[in-house]
Amino acid sequence: EVQLVESGGGLVQPGGSLRLSCAASGFTFSTSWMHWIRQAPGRGLEWVANVNPDGGGKQYVDSVKGRFTVSRDNAQNSLFLQMNSLRVEDTAVYYCATNAGLNWGQGALVTVSS
Amino acid sequence: DIVMTQSPLSLPVTLGQPASISCRSSQSVVHSDGDTRLNWFQQRPGQSPRRLIHEVSTRDSGVPDRFSGSGSGTDFTLKISRVEAEDVGVYYCMQYTHWPHTFGQGTKLEIK
Repeated sequence: EVQLVESGGGLVQPGGSLRLSCAASGFTFSTSWMHWIRQAPGRGLEWVANVNPDGGGKQYVDSVKGRFTVSRDNAQNSLFLQMNSLRVEDTAVYYCATNAGLNWGQGALVTVSS
Repeated sequence: DIVMTQSPLSLPVTLGQPASISCRSSQSVVHSDGDTRLNWFQQRPGQSPRRLIHEVSTRDSGVPDRFSGSGSGTDFTLKISRVEAEDVGVYYCMQYTHWPHTFGQGTKLEIK
C-alpha cells in the first residue's frame, strides 16, 4: 500500500522559514517523480513544485521561485520542501503526491502569521 | 499558464440522478507524445484529494463505474451516471501537459 506522510508544518512569522518532509513507502520512490501541491484554507489546489527521480530536475510555480526548494533523499525514501521568506499568502495545507496525482499524503498545515 | 475553467461551480443533485461537470482549458492539453494529460480528482470534506480519472477517460483502480470521463483538445467532461451520497465533495480537473500543472477552480457537488 502506498503511503505518503507529511510532517514539519506549523506556525511561522512572515519572513520565516520552515522545512516540510514527506516519508514515502509502498512503491519504488527512487524511480518516481514527486510533487508538492498546496491548498489555502477554503480554496482550490495549486501545484507548487516537482522533482524528477534523481533529484536533478526541479520545477516551481512562479509565486515560490527563489524562495522554495524541493529536494529528495532516495536512500531514505523522503521528499522535502524548504520554504524561506514565507508570506501570509503561503498559508495552506501542503500535500506531497506521486506523479500525475495518483497518490496523496494527508497534508501538513503551514500557517504564516504574525 | 494554462487556465482550467470548470462549470458549474456549484452542483446540487438529487440522489440517483446524473451529474455532469465541464472543464475547459485555455489551450490544448495534448502533449507532444500524443497523450492528453487531463485528470479528474474528488475531494470529500476533510479529506485529501483522490484521483478518479487519468488521461481523460481511464478510471483509476477502485473507482465506481458510474464515473466516466470524456473529451479532447480543450473540452472535457466528468459524468456521474447516478449520484450517491458518498459522492458529495469538490471535483477538480487538472492538466499536467504544461508546466505549471494547473487545476480548475473546483465544482462543489451537494445533494438536493
